[in-house]
Amino acid sequence: KAGVTQTPRYLIKTRGQQVTLSCSPISGHRSVSWYQQTPGQGLQFLFEYFSETQRNKGNFPGRFSGRQFSNSRSEMNVSTLELGDSALYLCASSLAPGLYNEQFFGPGTRLTVL
Amino acid sequence: QKEVEQNSGPLSVPEGAIASLNCTYSDRGSQSFFWYRQYSGKSPELIMSIYSNGDKEDGRFTAQLNKASQYVSLLIRDSQPSDSATYLCAVTPPYNTDKLIFGTGTRLQVFP
Repeated sequence: KAGVTQTPRYLIKTRGQQVTLSCSPISGHRSVSWYQQTPGQGLQFLFEYFSETQRNKGNFPGRFSGRQFSNSRSEMNVSTLELGDSALYLCASSLAPGLYNEQFFGPGTRLTVL
Repeated sequence: QKEVEQNSGPLSVPEGAIASLNCTYSDRGSQSFFWYRQYSGKSPELIMSIYSNGDKEDGRFTAQLNKASQYVSLLIRDSQPSDSATYLCAVTPPYNTDKLIFGTGTRLQVFP
């Protein structure tokens, strides 16, 4: 069974631009979560989608948004990029949201903002 | 107080030894606990999940959970140089069971 895929793997953008990242979950998984990983803050939860609905959102500004499609694929968008948005963006999929569902990470998209 | 705390290390152990990685969490009502391994430049890989007090074994890995002490640990037996990585502890908080709260990770170095 194929794992979680994320595209693109690397991105270089300049301040003020916007970016869209894509995630395809493991086949059969319907929940997708997004995390940001930086050396200073570690792994932080961005948001989680299930059945095309955002169920939860972390403590990030409104410039960070996302959506999920009917095939469970998800995209996240960051508008008006800032230097501090440089990070590894990780998508994780699970069968469904909830207490005991294990989350499996994709390879990540490394975003560099210049 | 951080929600999930880990010693950043590095923890250095000789090949063949037992590596013991520890994690404490602040929310007493937390129910789900996970250990991830992350190699440098790679994404986290799920190693173990544990939900009940006690030990859970999977190959060379044993996860231990003590909810009363709010403590979860990972033991790696017969450590190999290939085990050298950062180990992340993750907890599902009781106020939001859809997200994971991660510790900052413990860097493990296994030397030959």
